[in-house]
Amino acid sequence: EDQVTQSPEALRLQEGESSSLNCSYTVSGLRGLFWYRQDPGKGPEFLFTLYSAGEEKEKERLKATLTKKESFLHITAPKPEDSATYLCAVSTQGGSEKLVFGKGTKLTVNP
Amino acid sequence: SQTIHQWPATLVQPVGSPLSLECTVEGTSNPNLYWYRQAAGRGLQLLFYSVGIGQISSEVPQNLSASRPQDRQFILSSKKLLLSDSGFYLCAWSPGSFTDTQYFGPGTRLTVL
Repeated sequence: EDQVTQSPEALRLQEGESSSLNCSYTVSGLRGLFWYRQDPGKGPEFLFTLYSAGEEKEKERLKATLTKKESFLHITAPKPEDSATYLCAVSTQGGSEKLVFGKGTKLTVNP
Repeated sequence: SQTIHQWPATLVQPVGSPLSLECTVEGTSNPNLYWYRQAAGRGLQLLFYSVGIGQISSEVPQNLSASRPQDRQFILSSKKLLLSDSGFYLCAWSPGSFTDTQYFGPGTRLTVL
């Protein structure tokens, strides 16, 4: 069964304190890995799509990387407005085509 | 640019009452459409998806149903709500297959009492 595990479940950082969120996956064949940001009471906002190991994408203070078994979302010098829940999802080859989501990492950045 | 709308934003319904949630997409044609439910402490659960008008696939057996009467309209319904139907319902669209990026709407918070 395809699985996506995100860690940690929650992370508290001080403003400017860089860190990384992890998304590990067990799938039959990866087609794509997606990162979303979700604010309380709102729908997920798309951040990145990664398709192959070694691929990296950046947006402002965020950088996503992908290996054959996991992805990292690096947050450099975070600000309070980066506080949100970050969701990871994968799409797989073969079988039922659907996105499998992790439960998310809740990030809080204190000023 | 593409925009996705959902309404209502919040809904409080008694057990046994009917449900109708609506989702519309603007700025694109023939999108794939999806209904998800997000419960506290759990990941997003895919409920239904549609690749075209009148074409609905169900992922989870339950008392919910979906319909797609128009190309860019997706409706989630129930004849009789259960307490367990409470949650945050999200509509999403993608330009093609599941492997394409999915873009989410603002969501509907449903509370069944």
